[in-house]
Amino acid sequence: GENVEQHPSTLSVQEGDSAVIKCTYSDSASNYFPWYKQELGKGPQLIIDIRSNVGEKKDQRIAVTLNKTAKHFSLHITETQPEDSAVYFCAAKSLSNFGNEKLTFGTGTRLTIIP
Amino acid sequence: DTEVTQTPKHLVMGMTNKKSLKCEQHMGHRAMYWYKQKAKKPPELMFVYSYEKLSINESVPSRFSPECPNSSLLNLHLHALQPEDSALYLCASSRPRRVFSGNTIYFGEGSWLTVV
Repeated sequence: GENVEQHPSTLSVQEGDSAVIKCTYSDSASNYFPWYKQELGKGPQLIIDIRSNVGEKKDQRIAVTLNKTAKHFSLHITETQPEDSAVYFCAAKSLSNFGNEKLTFGTGTRLTIIP
Repeated sequence: DTEVTQTPKHLVMGMTNKKSLKCEQHMGHRAMYWYKQKAKKPPELMFVYSYEKLSINESVPSRFSPECPNSSLLNLHLHALQPEDSALYLCASSRPRRVFSGNTIYFGEGSWLTVV
């Protein structure tokens, strides 16, 4: 099955600086890679996603890059703000053994923005 | 509008109780999911329903019983739970798919379950 590794587990960044979170995946058949932000006491919120036929996607201060050959993808947040503080999860979507789609999550990164 | 609504937000139950968690979406999504999330851990898949039929059961103990009454509703029936089952239970949904399409999965805010 798919295995997703995520680094770092914690990240502290000065307000206004950039933050980068990296993930690797194992299943070369995975074709969809979402990123979720989870604030304390809330459910995961999709912030950006990328499909395997695209190398980079940007949405305002957030960007995701995908390297299919190396099987890794990264989240980039620029001009960080205090409200960016949260836990971020990467994920990869693959087929389960029974042919169903399955989303496998990374272990999460706790991002803290220092004012 | 991408909204998955879960009730109740908080539930405390004894080990002999029977309770249910409820989930609703009106986005026309035909795949619905239950995930379990422990503190400081990523969500773990429990069940997947596709077109109201159970398609994935990730070897979940029988004290958790899912039900999909119609395309908009998903329930999780709880009976004889253990304290270690205390967690955040997340419902999610995604668009229908016939092929491996990588459709986006949207999560609800979750139901906090405490078993005493």
